[in-house]
Amino acid sequence: AQSVTQLDSQVPVFEEAPVELRCNYSSSVSVYLFWYVQYPNQGLQLLLKYLSGSTLVKGINGFEAEFNKSQTSFHLRKPSVHISDTAEYFCAVTRTFGNEKLTFGTGTRLTIIP
Amino acid sequence: DAMVIQNPRYQVTQFGKPVTLSCSQTLNHNVMYWYQQKSSQAPKLLFHYYDKDFNNEADTPDNFQSRRPNTSFCFLDIRSPGLGDAAMYLCATSGRTGGSGANVLTFGAGSRLTVL
Repeated sequence: AQSVTQLDSQVPVFEEAPVELRCNYSSSVSVYLFWYVQYPNQGLQLLLKYLSGSTLVKGINGFEAEFNKSQTSFHLRKPSVHISDTAEYFCAVTRTFGNEKLTFGTGTRLTIIP
Repeated sequence: DAMVIQNPRYQVTQFGKPVTLSCSQTLNHNVMYWYQQKSSQAPKLLFHYYDKDFNNEADTPDNFQSRRPNTSFCFLDIRSPGLGDAAMYLCATSGRTGGSGANVLTFGAGSRLTVL
């Protein structure tokens, strides 16, 4: 089975500062990796995904993530955050074959300080 | 725009009074999911449909049922809601047809259930 660990439950960041949200995963087989964003009282929206190829993945809203197989990490980064980035961010993993259920991390609440 | 629509967005019910949440999609996706998300927690998969095949998670209580009358619609029925069932219920779809390829989910905006 796969698992996802998001070590930081809350991350406060000043506006226009850079941010990194950490995600580590565990799996004995090859995986696909995702970051979803959830704004208050909304569903989840896909930010970006890693399927194969380049380990640096660019997503919407200026976010990017880097897949590091040796460290089993998929950290999310943005060089300069805005107030509108205030949301909950979920890392998720699914294996590349068979039963492809999505396993979510517990989420990181990003708060932007004006 | 193709999308996933959930109704109602907010539902208030009384303890033990049945409730039905609906989900419709215009994506023509063959897989539909229901997730339960409690406050400050990750979404938890309740069950999913692969076409008409129903797949229940082992730890989903019997109190939760689902129907999928056609490709576009899926319903979540909570037969006797308890206080612990208060949560956001998320519907999601994916176009997986089996085999290789990523399972990318498209979520609806959710239905927030309050149990009094």
